[in-house]
Amino acid sequence: SQQGEEDPQALSIQEGENATMNCSYKTSINNLQWYRQNSGRGLVHLILIRSNEREKHSGRLRVTLDTSKKSSSLLITASRAADTASYFCATARTGANNLFFGTGTRLTVIP
Amino acid sequence: EAGVVQSPRYKIIEKKQPVAFWCNPISGHNTLYWYLQNLGQGPELLIRYENEEAVDDSQLPKDRFSAERLKGVDSTLKIQPAELGDSAVYLCASSLFRESEELFFGEGSRLTVL
Repeated sequence: SQQGEEDPQALSIQEGENATMNCSYKTSINNLQWYRQNSGRGLVHLILIRSNEREKHSGRLRVTLDTSKKSSSLLITASRAADTASYFCATARTGANNLFFGTGTRLTVIP
Repeated sequence: EAGVVQSPRYKIIEKKQPVAFWCNPISGHNTLYWYLQNLGQGPELLIRYENEEAVDDSQLPKDRFSAERLKGVDSTLKIQPAELGDSAVYLCASSLFRESEELFFGEGSRLTVL
């Protein structure tokens, strides 16, 4: 079964705009990760945020984590057409050694 | 450095036929995962190996699915016999650490069962 739920399921924006995706989960976690998947390809790791961290940046990516609300958000600033992909959050549950993936957000960036 | 290599990329078979997928993880990665991804969904874990030991196969349908990782390097996932509902992408991933840190995924093997 899948652990996280991403919101929205699909998002369409113009190039240059910011894209925000949200992830909610149900159990306590050690870390939360975000992955990108281009159509027909494998998943690529973007960023990992640990349970004791609240915010993390990597290039144009900003991730926040609110463990009290069991939620995370991924912000992509100044989006590009090449950012068009599906984005998945994945949680590492406390006491488990596996990652549990959410259902994904399909992002379309229109040139 | 080579990434995770999977083959075949695409496979079309008729139901009740057997099929096998192969995965070669990144060199030095002791942990290997097989995930199932249905269309429009996120990956779901089938089995996780630490070296040659299957440490979590609770989600593997053992009546028709089997996996092996001989010598703790490459791995094979087999389905016999395949059913229509097995049509999906089978993803292999590897990681350097035991605990759930960054996973490196292969391109996946897309199975179509007719």
